[in-house]
Amino acid sequence: DQQVKQNSPSLSVQEGRISILNCDYTNSMFDYFLWYKKYPAEGPTFLISISSIKDKNEDGRFTVFLNKSAKHLSLHIVPSQPGDSAVYFCAASPSGTSYGKLTFGQGTILTVHP
Amino acid sequence: EAGVVQSPRYKIIEKKQPVAFWCNPISGHNTLYWYRQNLGQGPELLIRYENEEAVDDSQLPKDRFSAERLKGVDSTLKIQPAELGDSAVYLCASSEFWVTTGELFFGEGSRLTVL
Repeated sequence: DQQVKQNSPSLSVQEGRISILNCDYTNSMFDYFLWYKKYPAEGPTFLISISSIKDKNEDGRFTVFLNKSAKHLSLHIVPSQPGDSAVYFCAASPSGTSYGKLTFGQGTILTVHP
Repeated sequence: EAGVVQSPRYKIIEKKQPVAFWCNPISGHNTLYWYRQNLGQGPELLIRYENEEAVDDSQLPKDRFSAERLKGVDSTLKIQPAELGDSAVYLCASSEFWVTTGELFFGEGSRLTVL
């Protein structure tokens, strides 16, 4: 049972345009949602997060939107840059004593063309 | 500040052989995690430590996997004997004790190939 799903294995966009990465989840107990970026041969690095009590969080070019009723979140990158090309993982965490127990999606490979 | 350090970066072994991975977390981080990432998938939690105590090892295949975190700092993950299906990247991560956002800091990973 995959509790966090990223249904798009890959996404290709032009430099300067918007990149939208999507993620769906099934577990209502998730309290925090995170996006991680991963370059080849490196570990995932934290990008941005959002609490379940919010519907939007913005950090520079990156914005995460959360739709709790639809159990859906998305990451918007505006404008996209070639250096953003990486694998993006959506992750979810419960609160309480299980915080930090991240459940990851399968990842989406983003390619930004110059 | 040094990040999470893992070794070895790459390991190739034959099935039924033992293998061990080592992790040194970020200084001051009390919580340490071992994740396994299979090809084309996201990381999956194997075990989580609070200091030297394993507080969540429900996903660790205990028949062949073992882990320890002596003195609450470095950690070792061992597989004995290894099977073909154990080929994966083993990621170590750490965080401060009361992290509320789920933000973890990952090492570069140890890629295991079992032949």
